[in-house]
Amino acid sequence: NAGVTQTPKFRILKIGQSMTLQCTQDMNHNYMYWYRQDPGMGLKLIYYSVGAGITDKGEVPNGYNVSRSTTEDFPLRLELAAPSQTSVYFCASSYLRGGLMVETQYFGPGTRLLVL
Amino acid sequence: GESVGLHLPTLSVQEGDNSIINCAYSNSASDYFIWYKQESGKGPQFIIDIRSNMDKRQGQRVTVLLNKTVKHLSLQIAATQPGDSAVYFCAEKEGAQKLVFGQGTRLTINP
Repeated sequence: NAGVTQTPKFRILKIGQSMTLQCTQDMNHNYMYWYRQDPGMGLKLIYYSVGAGITDKGEVPNGYNVSRSTTEDFPLRLELAAPSQTSVYFCASSYLRGGLMVETQYFGPGTRLLVL
Repeated sequence: GESVGLHLPTLSVQEGDNSIINCAYSNSASDYFIWYKQESGKGPQFIIDIRSNMDKRQGQRVTVLLNKTVKHLSLQIAATQPGDSAVYFCAEKEGAQKLVFGQGTRLTINP
């Protein structure tokens, strides 16, 4: 398994531009997440999904949109890039273990975004 | 809202010594905790987890201790190696699907 993969690895955007960060997992996990990590800080949850067709807001959803049309893919969309969105973005996935609630999350390598 | 925090932002230890990384949590109802390791330029990597019905759990060279009385979590790394250099995050489960992460502790290994 490749696990969680993210593209691109790095991107520079101008203010007002839009882009989509791609995330794919091949572990058949139901749950997927998008986080952002600012320098020297922990991870903040942007959006998450508990299954195809279902998404919900996390702690910092403003300026972002997501969709979950398949189990494998969970793209994150930035419509009007702002300097405050300069960050490293991590996608993660998780699963139900033995009928219990989701626990361990597996992370992708991240996408570094710079908005100028 | 409830949050997870760390006592120290940085920790330096000698190679071969044991490392102890601490974490305080504020939600007394939390029943599941995870420690992650994040190396430079990489995503967080699962190290070890513990449920609230346990006080201690051991893995390979790592031990997690949970003190529910004072809402404190610690990660112990035995015989610290250069490859242990990283930022370590604790996280607590919030609700059924989400995790709340602390700020992180940077562990550096002195030769």
